[in-house]
Amino acid sequence: NAGVTQTPKFQVLKTGQSMTLQCAQDMNHNSMYWYRQDPGMGLRLIYYSASEGTTDKGEVPNGYNVSRLNKREFSLRLESAAPSQTSVYFCASSPPWTSGTQYFGPGTRLLVL
Amino acid sequence: SQELEQSPQSLIVQEGKNLTINCTSSKTLYGLYWYKQKYGEGLIFLMMLQKGGEEKSHEKITAKLDEKKQQSSLHITASQPSHAGIYLCGADPSGTYKYIFGTGTRLKVLA
Repeated sequence: NAGVTQTPKFQVLKTGQSMTLQCAQDMNHNSMYWYRQDPGMGLRLIYYSASEGTTDKGEVPNGYNVSRLNKREFSLRLESAAPSQTSVYFCASSPPWTSGTQYFGPGTRLLVL
Repeated sequence: SQELEQSPQSLIVQEGKNLTINCTSSKTLYGLYWYKQKYGEGLIFLMMLQKGGEEKSHEKITAKLDEKKQQSSLHITASQPSHAGIYLCGADPSGTYKYIFGTGTRLKVLA
């Protein structure tokens, strides 16, 4: 099993450009999450999907959109990137019976100029 | 809103020394999770604590949740360079998947 995979690993954008971060898990997990990690701010939840077909806002959803394409895939889209969105983005998934036991991807480092 | 505060923010210890990392919640915890992050990588789940007074161990790492369920500690015995990384505590305050995390404790172990 690959676990949770994320693409791309690195990305540089110019202000105003758009992009989609891809995430996939092969563990048959119901729930998936997108976080951003910034120095001194810890890990903050952007959006989550408790189950296939549902998505909800987390702590910092502004400037982002998500799509739960199917049970395996959960994408994060930046429609018009801003320098404040420079961060490391992590995708995670969790099985329903172990709420809180999340499995994380390796992260995507995004730089917005 | 609930917040998790970790202390210390960073820690440098000599190999073989014991150390403790604390995680304090502004409200009662209904589940506390400890994760480890190697530099430049994703988080790895370590342990979950749910009951007041609960204690769990894995190899040389022991985590405890106090009786009031507002503070947790992570203790590493006889630290090794492999223990180096960032330790984060996390919680789901309302049971609605809206997880929060502490800001992390950076641990460096000198060989």
